[in-house]
Amino acid sequence: EVQLVESGGGLVQPGASLKLSCVASGVIFSDYWMSWVRQTPGKTMEWIGDIKYDGSYTNYAPSLKNRFTISRDNAKSTLYLQMSNVRSEDTATYYCTGGGYGYSAYWGQGTLVTVSS
Amino acid sequence: DIQMTQSPASLSASLGETVTIECRASEDIYSNLAWYQQKPGNSPQLLIYDANSLADGVPSRFSGSGSGTQYCLKINSLQSKDVASYFCQQYKNYPLKFGSGTKLEIK
Repeated sequence: EVQLVESGGGLVQPGASLKLSCVASGVIFSDYWMSWVRQTPGKTMEWIGDIKYDGSYTNYAPSLKNRFTISRDNAKSTLYLQMSNVRSEDTATYYCTGGGYGYSAYWGQGTLVTVSS
Repeated sequence: DIQMTQSPASLSASLGETVTIECRASEDIYSNLAWYQQKPGNSPQLLIYDANSLADGVPSRFSGSGSGTQYCLKINSLQSKDVASYFCQQYKNYPLKFGSGTKLEIK
């Protein structure tokens, strides 16, 4: 059974940095492109970006690429999302996804990030 | 960027009915479209990919169709466990985009 388990969310102050992690199991992690998707409190789904299976290439939503960085460690089967200079509008549940060719066959349970002073 | 327009925003139907949810892309996405189901309190789950391919374990009551810019998700014989929000997503071009979602309730 494929499992994606996110961690690292919580309450963070505006302007701070935060790093989310996602550990994969039940799948050959290094075979897959992986993505981060977030869902706002109003339930809007937003694709953040993705990373090639070997970590050599990334794509980002244009509005986020200057503040968010996606990386991976295939030896640890772990995906990361580094968030910097966070804003209140970054408040959302962040999902780690993967397993498809553009679409997301697998989703984690999500980790909630709340940006507030 | 490709924009996705999903309708309706909400839908109420009776058990056993057939419902249809639509997604329209701002340009041709050549069937690079997925549908997801998100039950209350849960993560989204893949239902359909490549516009009409059923994901593993998804009941055949669910089907996808369409081409070009217009796509549909159809749910036959509506069951109480189908209460959820449904999202479409295009993956033809970056940045990938989701529709705004459809909340399905039982009458």
